[in-house]
Amino acid sequence: SYVLTQPPSVSVAPGQTARITCGGNNIGSKSVHWYQQKPGQAPVLVVYDDSDRPSGIPERFSGSNSGNTATLTISRVEAGDEADYYCQVWDSSSDLYVFGTGTKVTVL
Amino acid sequence: EVQLVESGGGLVQPGGSLRLSCAASGFTFSSYWMHWVRQAPGKGLVWVSRINSDGSSTSYADSVKGRFTISRDNAKNTLYLQMNSLRAEDTAVYYCARDGGGVYDLDYWGQGTLVTVSS
Repeated sequence: SYVLTQPPSVSVAPGQTARITCGGNNIGSKSVHWYQQKPGQAPVLVVYDDSDRPSGIPERFSGSNSGNTATLTISRVEAGDEADYYCQVWDSSSDLYVFGTGTKVTVL
Repeated sequence: EVQLVESGGGLVQPGGSLRLSCAASGFTFSSYWMHWVRQAPGKGLVWVSRINSDGSSTSYADSVKGRFTISRDNAKNTLYLQMNSLRAEDTAVYYCARDGGGVYDLDYWGQGTLVTVSS
């Protein structure tokens, strides 16, 4: 089955840039989506189709995808960005949806 | 405003059954694929199942295949998850989510309902 690997944690100072990676075999050929989940809350879609943002999501959130790695970038990090982040793809070969292992972003 | 409200969670013994419901509003329910996703306490998100817009096609994670059944009633704008032969490892918050359409993202989520499997 398809596996998506994320670093368990990323720490960043306020105002700096956080980069969260999502590794998968030839992930560049798939559409990657990113979700933010704060404690006790449901996930929220922050980037879809590699780099598009849903309405209401700040431009500080951006995404890229190439080769074996997709990346979520959070620019000018704020305290409110502290959350768990998950990548997700659809694996066409199995018709299964796959989530990454999740990354906890800590704002120092 | 899109709203998804789950219900039906609770405490059940191993081997027991439970049916979850997800009431949808604020959009044309019958036009969208829908999903169930679960999250065990302190763990990550795990996709469980998907159903297409008219209910004719479903897909399941290997961990629940043969035990869980996803269904929908478009007249009632409601999504269901019938869970049988429950195990301790099925303990989780269960979220319903709407498929964004086209690129296989999940664009709206409910707040979740907790299922606890324990004797």
